[in-house]
Amino acid sequence: GAVVSQHPSRVICKSGTSVKIECRSLDFQATTMFWYRQFPKQSLMLMATSNEGSKATYEQGVEKDKFLINHASLTLSTLTVTSAHPEDSSFYICSARVKGTETQYFGPGTRLLVL
Amino acid sequence: AQSVTQLDSQVPVFEEAPVELRCNYSSSVSVYLFWYVQYPNQGLQLLLKYLSGSTLVESINGFEAEFNKSQTSFHLRKPSVHISDTAEYFCAVSGASGGYNKLIFGAGTRLAVHP
Repeated sequence: GAVVSQHPSRVICKSGTSVKIECRSLDFQATTMFWYRQFPKQSLMLMATSNEGSKATYEQGVEKDKFLINHASLTLSTLTVTSAHPEDSSFYICSARVKGTETQYFGPGTRLLVL
Repeated sequence: AQSVTQLDSQVPVFEEAPVELRCNYSSSVSVYLFWYVQYPNQGLQLLLKYLSGSTLVESINGFEAEFNKSQTSFHLRKPSVHISDTAEYFCAVSGASGGYNKLIFGAGTRLAVHP
C-alpha cells in the first residue's frame, strides 16, 4: 500500500517551454501533497504544500508564478514549470500524506533537463 | 529554526560489518523522526519512523534507530550490512517550529558497502 507515482520520470525540454509533472497516490486518498526539489548530491528542499481544493502554500524563495501547483482531486497533484530555464533543471519529487497521519510517501521523482 | 544534522556525508564500510549513521536534530519540543533511503535515480522510501511509544524502532530489512530525547539524536544502525544497502540515507524531522505538516531533511549520508 501507500504507492505514489510520478509522470513523466524524465523530461527534456527547450528553454522557454512549460513542463507539467503529475503526482498520483495510487491506493489512498492524499489530502495533502508536497513538492520537493533535489539538486545533485544534496538533500530535498520543500517547494510547496498543496491541499486538495485549495491554493498551494509556497516556501520562501519559491516563485509561485513559475511553479504552478494544482491539487484538483484527492489522488492527483500537478506541478507545472512555466517558461523553463536551464537553472530549473533538477530532480523534482512529490510526496503524499493521508489526512490524520504523519507519514509522507514519496514518488519516484522526475528528472527535468532544460536545454 | 528547526534543523537536522547528519554528521557524516559518506560512510564506507565492508560487507557484513556493522554500521551507524548519525542524526541529530534541534528541537526542545515533541517531534516525529524519520529515516528515508534513496537508491540511485529513485525517489525516497520510508525506512522507519518514530512517532511515539518505544524509543527503539526497527525496519523490515534489519535497520533500527533509537530516539534519544536527551541527546536529540536518532541514529540509524544495522549490525551487518549487505552490498544492496548501498544508497543515500536521509534523516528527517517534523513538528515543533516547522509544524507537523512539514518535513525537514538532513543533508544525507551516502552509505557505500564494499565487498
